[in-house]
Amino acid sequence: NAGVTQTPKFRVLKTGQSMTLLCAQDMNHEYMYWYRQDPGMGLRLIHYSVGEGTTAKGEVPDGYNVSRLKKQNFLLGLESAAPSQTSVYFCASSLRPQWEAFFGQGTRLTVV
Amino acid sequence: GNSVTQMEGPVTLSEEAFLTINCTYTATGYPSLFWYVQYPGEGLQLLLKATKADDKGSNKGFEATYRKETTSFHLEKGSVQVSDSAVYFCALSDQWSGGSNYKLTFGKGTLLTVNP
Repeated sequence: NAGVTQTPKFRVLKTGQSMTLLCAQDMNHEYMYWYRQDPGMGLRLIHYSVGEGTTAKGEVPDGYNVSRLKKQNFLLGLESAAPSQTSVYFCASSLRPQWEAFFGQGTRLTVV
Repeated sequence: GNSVTQMEGPVTLSEEAFLTINCTYTATGYPSLFWYVQYPGEGLQLLLKATKADDKGSNKGFEATYRKETTSFHLEKGSVQVSDSAVYFCALSDQWSGGSNYKLTFGKGTLLTVNP
């Protein structure tokens, strides 16, 4: 049982480059989330999805875009990376929105 | 808005010591409360949860009681082990943006180090 899988696990980007982070879950969850984790800040919600074909903004959406074309996948895109986007990114999913979320192992992104 | 405040770390204990990590919250509705644990290099894992007032969540020797009167959900363990060294996050799930959407709101995390 894989749970939530994130790809890649590490990435270094130059300022202005673009990339896509992939999240895949095999639990048939409707709800999926992207968070970023920064020292002393806890986890902050970037974007989330309440079902296939839907997306919504979280607390810190600027500079990111997302897509949920398939129920099991939730993609996070950075169109023009900035050093402020250096962070650890976590994807999560849940069966119900008010229930516990299951997290991937994270993607450590460095923008230089 | 919703918020979670947990004690600042880091916390350093000796093996078999008693652990308390304080967590208080503010919420507009009737939130569910969670403790997540993050081991080095890994994602967050659910440690325990409570969904209504006076519920006690427990797992792996850890406990926390949902106290609505004090808006608290303190994490305790009677005897910590080296393997408990990790970052602990308190979180709540409640309605957000006035709509039907829920989201998890996290505290900033508390780093626990247990020495042998």
